[in-house]
Amino acid sequence: GAGVSQSPSNKVTEKGKDVELRCDPISGHTALYWYRQSLGQGLEFLIYFQGNSAPDKSGLPSDRFSAERTGGSVSTLTIQRTQQEDSAVYLCASSLGARNTEAFFGQGTRLTVV
Amino acid sequence: EDQVTQSPEALRLQEGESSSLNCSYTVSGLRGLFWYRQDPGKGPEFLFTLYSAGEEKEKERLKATLTKKESFLHITAPKPEDSATYLCAVVRGQAGTALIFGKGTTLSVSS
Repeated sequence: GAGVSQSPSNKVTEKGKDVELRCDPISGHTALYWYRQSLGQGLEFLIYFQGNSAPDKSGLPSDRFSAERTGGSVSTLTIQRTQQEDSAVYLCASSLGARNTEAFFGQGTRLTVV
Repeated sequence: EDQVTQSPEALRLQEGESSSLNCSYTVSGLRGLFWYRQDPGKGPEFLFTLYSAGEEKEKERLKATLTKKESFLHITAPKPEDSATYLCAVVRGQAGTALIFGKGTTLSVSS
């Protein structure tokens, strides 16, 4: 596709369950980012992948959060033992390289933990 | 600590009433300041990148400017379709691996 694709667009899960969120970046983009946007809050950086380099995981809020990027393309964000405070919109973005120029965002996955 | 502060939080304008949005930033060595537009239920859409003080960029009714401490997004003769949340971000720290976003300014333009 032409843009960043995220799935699912909406996810409702029970507290304590694990969830996986998927991101397909723009073809050829080597940099991929995950952000979280809570109601009334700004975008919160979670994790960054650049090519084959070790990811920058410094934004992950707890060890219940993890992410991987397979083959330098598709990325999956996993949240284990979900809590109500994990409810937010999870946004993925990609860009051509490490300089963050013109990062393109997906539509996001709205996660609701009940 | 890297920080981005946007003001005002919300702005209501009449169609044609020009105004400016402010983004104040604190970062160790600016490596880029970004403006995005976000419509409800959608991901942010890239507008501009500014790299050095004095730089200006324009797109339709929008013009972004940059000083050593802040950036302004000037909106000239806005239309209702300009209604959105405008986000400002800077590249984080020395590694430059992520964008730090402000909380945004929600602009409403009425006809």
